[in-house]
Amino acid sequence: DAGITQSPRHKVTETGTPVTLRCHQTENHRYMYWYRQDPGHGLRLIHYSYGVKDTDKGEVSDGYSVSRSKTEDFLLTLESATSSQTSVYFCAIKRGREYEQYFGPGTRLTVT
Amino acid sequence: AQKVTQAQTEISVVEKEDVTLDCVYETRDTTYYLFWYKQPPSGELVFLIRRNSFDEQNEISGRYSWNFQKSTSSFNFTITASQVVDSAVYFCALSEAEYGGATNKLIFGTGTLLAVQP
Repeated sequence: DAGITQSPRHKVTETGTPVTLRCHQTENHRYMYWYRQDPGHGLRLIHYSYGVKDTDKGEVSDGYSVSRSKTEDFLLTLESATSSQTSVYFCAIKRGREYEQYFGPGTRLTVT
Repeated sequence: AQKVTQAQTEISVVEKEDVTLDCVYETRDTTYYLFWYKQPPSGELVFLIRRNSFDEQNEISGRYSWNFQKSTSSFNFTITASQVVDSAVYFCALSEAEYGGATNKLIFGTGTLLAVQP
């Protein structure tokens, strides 16, 4: 157990509405990541963070923004949700000098 | 560019059969890391193994074994005597040693769905 929680776990929202997903970790790790999982694509990196207020874009960052105001929380925001953002979103952390990532339980987002 | 290919979309076996999941990767870096993750029907992602590019030694963990071959850019995963509990989607992933591995962005394959029938 990597001490990662995600909230909400499920959400249904309408096109055009803003949505914020939260990732919370209890182990004070520096690196945090947001991925989305879609059939036929595996997992793709959206954004990542390498410290408080330090973030960078991943492979599929268009339409998403992130914020990290404290070590334990990494927020993913969809400013104006679209149906193409219907997906399962996973948060992950990296422990220190290790290279593997450990994932949270995921958030299933449906945009209608 | 980095790429991971899992050509097997779905595999169905009967319990106790051996099964191999294929993973082929592309990278221009000389230092990189390979991973396997398991995603059971419950949906969580479980880390199974990491292999460094400079370590081609194969690894065995119980019924699981991994065959890393740089010559063919492959990192295959074999389950011996499969069990129903092995039913899951298995992902292979690659990370280059960018900034000494600090940012450690993972590139995933599309996954292989393994169904083990009783």
